[in-house]
Amino acid sequence: AQTVTQSQPEMSVQEAETVTLSCTYDTSESDYYLFWYKQPPSRQMILVIRQEAYKQQNATENRFSVNFQKAAKSFSLKISDSQLGDAAMYFCAYRTAALSQNFVFGPGTRLSVLP
Amino acid sequence: GAVVSQHPSWVICKSGTSVKIECRSLDFQATTMFWYRQFPKQSLMLMATSNEGSKATYEQGVEKDKFLINHASLTLSTLTVTSAHPEDSSFYICSARGLHEQYFGPGTRLTVT
Repeated sequence: AQTVTQSQPEMSVQEAETVTLSCTYDTSESDYYLFWYKQPPSRQMILVIRQEAYKQQNATENRFSVNFQKAAKSFSLKISDSQLGDAAMYFCAYRTAALSQNFVFGPGTRLSVLP
Repeated sequence: GAVVSQHPSWVICKSGTSVKIECRSLDFQATTMFWYRQFPKQSLMLMATSNEGSKATYEQGVEKDKFLINHASLTLSTLTVTSAHPEDSSFYICSARGLHEQYFGPGTRLTVT
């Protein structure tokens, strides 16, 4: 069974600084997707970024980028120029290539942004 | 982008009563919907997978007779918590599978008194 691990229960970053959230996963599949979701206090799940495993290039979305290391099964999220609105729970998630399959979520990292 | 709604957003019910939560895909058809449960400060845990026109598939440890799921149309799935107890108090989130992606609803907070 696939598992997702986030070793940092809590992180904090100064406003305008950069922070990296860690995620590792375990799978025997070769084709899959990885995601980072943000859950603010409203608890609405917001997709931050997604990575297809077959793509070697790291995904980037504005201030958010990932470092995808397939061999190491590592998928970290870097947030640049952190803003107060970035404060939230961040969940790393795995899904097989089959769209019908469910997400496997990590335990989450709570990010605080200090003014 | 695709939108998934849930109704109600929050509900308080008395112990022993049943409560129904609706999940709708507003601008796309969803043959598959997922129901999650999230306890405070914890991650999302899959409860069941709902397929339109067929029985739901429940995860291990989830009582199918307690959490009734009906996926009657391509845009609506419902979760009914029967004979609710205080330990059923939680945040319930649905996710609907679109053509290329899955989309999450805003969640429903259930409090059983």
